[in-house]
Amino acid sequence: AQTVTQSQPEMSVQEAETVTLSCTYDTSESDYYLFWYKQPPSRQMILVIRQEAYKQQNATENRFSVNFQKAAKSFSLKISDSQLGDAAMYFCAYFPTGTASKLTFGTGTRLQVTL
Amino acid sequence: DSGVTQTPKHLITATGQRVTLRCSPRSGDLSVYWYQQSLDQGLQFLIQYYNGEERAKGNILERFSAQQFPDLHSELNLSSLELGDSALYFCASSPHLGTQYFGPGTRLTVL
Repeated sequence: AQTVTQSQPEMSVQEAETVTLSCTYDTSESDYYLFWYKQPPSRQMILVIRQEAYKQQNATENRFSVNFQKAAKSFSLKISDSQLGDAAMYFCAYFPTGTASKLTFGTGTRLQVTL
Repeated sequence: DSGVTQTPKHLITATGQRVTLRCSPRSGDLSVYWYQQSLDQGLQFLIQYYNGEERAKGNILERFSAQQFPDLHSELNLSSLELGDSALYFCASSPHLGTQYFGPGTRLTVL
């Protein structure tokens, strides 16, 4: 069974600084997607970034980037120039590309942004 | 705004009752997924429909059922409600095998 582990229940970063959230996963599949979702206090689930496993290049979306290490099954999220609006729960998620696939989520990391 | 709509936003009901949650996917998306987010269980996959057909089942109780209609909207029916069913229920939609976009959720409170 696929599992996703986020070992940091809480993280804190100062405004304008950089923070990295960790995620590891376990799978025997070779083709899959990985995602980071953000859940602010509104509870909306917002897609932050997506990585296809077959792509070696790390995905980047503005201030958000990932470090994807396929052999190590590691998928960390780096947030640069942190802003107050980045404060939220962040969930790492795994999605195999089979026909009957579901997102498997980690337990989340709560990110606090301080002045 | 993800383009996925869910109604109602909030639902308060009593134990033993039945409720229906509704989801309209993004235009063009054929897949609809339902997830439950509770405090102690995190985000759990319930069920997936693709173009009207059930494709995958997760940790969905027998008291729960779902369907996807010809216009692609989906409904999640929860019956014989228990206190432990109180949770946030999300619907997500995607193109086939694509990124899932989540609706705003329905917060269910069972008293």
